[in-house]
Amino acid sequence: SQQGEEDPQALSIQEGENATMNCSYKTSINNLQWYRQNSGRGLVHLILIRSNEREKHSGRLRVTLDTSKKSSSLLITASRAADTASYFCVGAGNNRKLIWGLGTSLAVNP
Amino acid sequence: NAGVTQTPKFQVLKTGQSMTLQCAQDMNHEYMSWYRQDPGMGLRLIHYSVGAGITDQGEVPNGYNVSRSTTEDFPLRLLSAAPSQTSVYFCASSPTPGQLNQPQHFGDGTRLSIL
Repeated sequence: SQQGEEDPQALSIQEGENATMNCSYKTSINNLQWYRQNSGRGLVHLILIRSNEREKHSGRLRVTLDTSKKSSSLLITASRAADTASYFCVGAGNNRKLIWGLGTSLAVNP
Repeated sequence: NAGVTQTPKFQVLKTGQSMTLQCAQDMNHEYMSWYRQDPGMGLRLIHYSVGAGITDQGEVPNGYNVSRSTTEDFPLRLLSAAPSQTSVYFCASSPTPGQLNQPQHFGDGTRLSIL
C-alpha cells in the first residue's frame, strides 16, 4: 500500500532546541496535514497546508510543502518536554485517499 | 467536550471470539472511520462511513464489519478474532465526507490483544 516516508524515524533533542522532521511521498499529493500522538493517546491535528501554499506557521510550528519534490517538513522551534510525542504526516493523494506516514518519534529531554 | 469516545480502552480475546468496539462522537460529524495502528505499518483504514446508513471498505476490511445506524455511533465488529488482529484501533470523525482538507478528530484508541 502507499505510505508516506518520514525521516528521521526517531529524534532526541534537548529542551530549547529546534526539531525538524520530514515527510516524502512516491505519489503526487495535494493537501497535507500533520498530527501529533502522545503516548497511549489518539492523534491530534496540528496543521494543514494546502497544495497552493509553500509555508505555513502556527505558534511554534512551521510547515513547508514542496509539491514538485512530493515532500513536507515540520519544524518545532524552542522545543519543550511536552512536545515529546510521535508526529505523523498525512497527504491527500490524487485518488482522493489519505496516505499516512509512518511517523517520527520525538523525545525532548529536560 | 467529549469529542470521540472509544470503549473499551483495553481488551484481551481468545482466538475465535467475537466482540464489538464502540465509537461515539458528539460533534454531529458526517464522516467516521476506523483505523488500526501497528508498529512499522502506520495507520491503515479499515472501514469508513460518510453518513448514517452508508458504510464502505477501506484498505484492510477483512475480518471486520461495521454499521452506522445513527450519526453518533460507528461500532466495529470482529467476527472471529485472529492473532493478526492484535493492534491498536482508532476511531476518527470529521465534519464532511469527501473533504480531504478537514482535520480528523481521533478517539484515544482500543488496545486489543488476541491470544
